[in-house]
Amino acid sequence: AQKVTQAQTEISVVEKEDVTLDCVYETRDTTYYLFWYKQPPSGELVFLIRRNSFDEQNEISGRYSWNFQKSTSSFNFTITASQVVDSAVYFCALSEGGDSSYKLIFGSGTRLLVRP
Amino acid sequence: DSGVTQTPKHLITATGQRVTLRCSPRSGDLSVYWYQQSLDQGLQFLIQYYNGEERAKGNILERFSAQQFPDLHSELNLSSLELGDSALYFCASSVVSGNPVHEQYFGPGTRLTVT
Repeated sequence: AQKVTQAQTEISVVEKEDVTLDCVYETRDTTYYLFWYKQPPSGELVFLIRRNSFDEQNEISGRYSWNFQKSTSSFNFTITASQVVDSAVYFCALSEGGDSSYKLIFGSGTRLLVRP
Repeated sequence: DSGVTQTPKHLITATGQRVTLRCSPRSGDLSVYWYQQSLDQGLQFLIQYYNGEERAKGNILERFSAQQFPDLHSELNLSSLELGDSALYFCASSVVSGNPVHEQYFGPGTRLTVT
């Protein structure tokens, strides 16, 4: 069965620290898609990144980077030099290629608090 | 701004009542998804419409229903409301429903409080 696990419920760091948010997924499909979304205190869900199962290249976007490892079924998210504005709940999500709806299966989220 | 709009932003109603949540997808997006976010269940998929037709159902209660209109906006109808229906309801849209999968863009959500 498909599942996304974000074991870290809450992380607190001091500004400028690096922080990694963990995501472990389970799926039987060979084609699948992984996502990260950010939910700031205002409540909306903001898309950050999509990664396809056949593309294991890591990605960097500014202070954000993502490490996709199929061997460990993980898709971790690192924020370098964290800032107060990074404080939010971050969700990892899975979409399976064998599911024609391509609905998102979300993890339980990790609340990140960046203290000044 | 994701381009997905949802109304109303907040809704307070009593148990047993019926409400309608509205969603307008991004221009050009054919697929609309509804999700529910609650403290105990997290973010859960409810239902998907693609170009006017129901495509998939998730953990949606029988008291809930949805539709997508010819102009592609969608409505989620919640009836016989219970206290446990209090949640944040999100609508999301994507370009197509197919391979390759495109990301879903979420609206700001409707916060429903049932008293």
